[in-house]
Amino acid sequence: DADVTQTPRNRITKTGKRIMLECSQTKGHDRMYWYRQDPGLGLRLIYYSFDVKDINKGEISDGYSVSRQAQAKFSLSLESAIPNQTALYFCATSDPPSEQFFGPGTRLTVL
Amino acid sequence: QKEVEQDPGPLSVPEGAIVSLNCTYSNSAFQYFMWYRQYSRKGPELLMYTYSSGNKEDGRFTAQVDKSSKYISLFIRDSQPSDSATYLCAMQGWHSGGGADGLTFGKGTHLIIQP
Repeated sequence: DADVTQTPRNRITKTGKRIMLECSQTKGHDRMYWYRQDPGLGLRLIYYSFDVKDINKGEISDGYSVSRQAQAKFSLSLESAIPNQTALYFCATSDPPSEQFFGPGTRLTVL
Repeated sequence: QKEVEQDPGPLSVPEGAIVSLNCTYSNSAFQYFMWYRQYSRKGPELLMYTYSSGNKEDGRFTAQVDKSSKYISLFIRDSQPSDSATYLCAMQGWHSGGGADGLTFGKGTHLIIQP
């Protein structure tokens, strides 16, 4: 079984809809991260969490929110999706901080 | 100026060649330096990481960090077609509260190894 799983793997939605992307990990890591990847822009950090009570904004947090429900679960929400949020979204975990393990990604399309 | 600069390529070399991939950066607070490999439609996977300046070798891969020049490199010896992928450099610093920041990535270099 994969150490970091993401659901859904693909999602097509419409502008204005609320979307939640979920991430689960079995590695027992405290640190979890959400990134988005766009062609020509690389990977950019959205939010990160050092433990259940510690949430931090990344480079591009506007339009996103997160919830750390447990050590193993970290969800990313788009409250009102817009087309420029179309991207590939990755969850990652780490311990120590430098060795991050990525999930398979969620491809999100906002029409 | 972006914090991390990386040539997107594509870089195409014949099988067996030595490959050199590079990144430059501007933030002197970065202390950890990583290289990730990403195959099409997959998540990035960690290849190597180094702390501060110096070299690190792992099989056919060698990572170099020169903090004085703000320049990092990844060398691949005896390159194979299976090495064809996008290679992402990444860097990490520490924030004022004492914890590690998230990673700052380069845009990635698309590498093609021709059989």
